[in-house]
Amino acid sequence: DAKTTQPPSMDCAEGRAANLPCNHSTISGNEYVYWYRQIHSQGPQYIIHGLKNNETNEMASLIITEDRKSSTLILPHATLRDTAVYYCIVRLLYNFNKFYFGSGTKLNVKP
Amino acid sequence: GAVVSQHPSRVICKSGTSVKIECRSLDFQATTMFWYRQFPKQSLMLMATSNEGSKATYEQGVEKDKFLINHASLTLSTLTVTSAHPEDSSFYICSATQFGGAGYNEQFFGPGTRLTVL
Repeated sequence: DAKTTQPPSMDCAEGRAANLPCNHSTISGNEYVYWYRQIHSQGPQYIIHGLKNNETNEMASLIITEDRKSSTLILPHATLRDTAVYYCIVRLLYNFNKFYFGSGTKLNVKP
Repeated sequence: GAVVSQHPSRVICKSGTSVKIECRSLDFQATTMFWYRQFPKQSLMLMATSNEGSKATYEQGVEKDKFLINHASLTLSTLTVTSAHPEDSSFYICSATQFGGAGYNEQFFGPGTRLTVL
C-alpha cells in the first residue's frame, strides 16, 4: 500500500474550517484514500473515504486532487471536540481490508 | 454505525502471567478482525489479521507464539498475551470488517484495552 505523509500537528480556531492535508504521491489507480481520527485513548473513528471524486458526509469533506497524489480533509466548522489525531490511510480495496496507519496529524482546536 | 466492544478496558498483571483480551462485534458479523498495538504518543501498528475459523496471519516481526489469536465465531476474536513482560505494556485495539453489505469498506474499531504489566 502507498505511503502517506501528513504534517505532525495543526492548530485551528473553534468555528473555523480545519483543512488537513495528506500527501500520497505513490498511490496507485485502485487504492482508496481513507480518513480516520483518534481521540485520546479511544479507538479510531471512521470519517470518510474516496477514490477519485470529492466526497462529503455529515462529518467532513474529502478533496482529492486530479492526479490523486494528495488530498485534503475539511472539517467545515471545527469544535473543541474535534481535537484528535487524524490519520490519512491509503489502501487497496479488498486487500483483506488491512490498514497501515502513518503518523497522523494532531489537530488542536482552540477556543 | 456498527459497534465493536473490547473487554477488559484496562488490565494490570504481573510479569510472567498471560492475559486474554476479547473483541466482539455487537450488531454485525465480522468475517475479519484485526489487532493493533499502540505505544504512547505513537501510531497504531497492525499486529495480525484474524479470519473466522482459520489461523491468524501475523505481520512481520510479531511473535505468533507470544500473541495468540483465536477467531472462533463471526462475532468474537480473542488476543492472548502469553508470559507478559513490562515491554508488552501497551494499548491494544481491535477492529472488524462487516460481512457483506455497504459496510464492507470500513473497519470498525473497538475502544481499546490498556495493558499494564508490572
